[in-house]
Amino acid sequence: QVTLRESGPALVKPTQTLTLTCTFSGFSLSTSGMCVSWIRQPPGKALEWLALIDWDDDKYYSPSLKTRLTISKDTSKNQVVLTMTNMDPVDTATYYCARMGSGLAFDFWGQGTLVTVSS
Amino acid sequence: QSVLTQPPSVSGAPGQRVTISCTGSSSNIGAGYEVHWYQQLPGTAPKLLIYGNNNRPSGVPDRFSGSKSGTSASLAITGLQAEDEADYYCQSSDNSLSVRYVFGTGTKVTVL
Repeated sequence: QVTLRESGPALVKPTQTLTLTCTFSGFSLSTSGMCVSWIRQPPGKALEWLALIDWDDDKYYSPSLKTRLTISKDTSKNQVVLTMTNMDPVDTATYYCARMGSGLAFDFWGQGTLVTVSS
Repeated sequence: QSVLTQPPSVSGAPGQRVTISCTGSSSNIGAGYEVHWYQQLPGTAPKLLIYGNNNRPSGVPDRFSGSKSGTSASLAITGLQAEDEADYYCQSSDNSLSVRYVFGTGTKVTVL
């Protein structure tokens, strides 16, 4: 079955760079049509799409965060990595990775990882 | 910075029907992109509820249905049950300013 799991630091300081890893199983990111995205949710707020990488290594970013985000994949390890630079307290959120299949819906989600930005 | 607008909250008694609207624009729903819906139970990750405007993944009760018209979409829950109390989000694609995917503002459903 398809599973995704996020990992990374629970606490980062302002101005630091955040690195999150999504480790997945049950599908291959080298299969045509497969994509993995990062989505975040500040406490008590709505979901916000951040970035997506597809099977062909094409990458897409939220325009408002594009200068701070980098998404990459390691197909052999079944991992997708997101880096976000210059972290700020407003970036405090639960960060999710999710699979997007050919239907352009996020059909499987990880459990999420809460990242707090504080000095 | 959600570009899809939903009512903050809706409520209904058990057994009633409630609907949640999702209003977009000509660059997303109105451009023909499909709408998907997610259910987020308290303290858990979102779960795909409706995909492709009106399709239910395996295991989702047929009490949930979706529709789309023009620049808007709706999620209907018939026969409301206590376990339906959750946050619901719509999601679509968008072609303005190279934005790819957008979520709604979210709606809290309360079962009275």
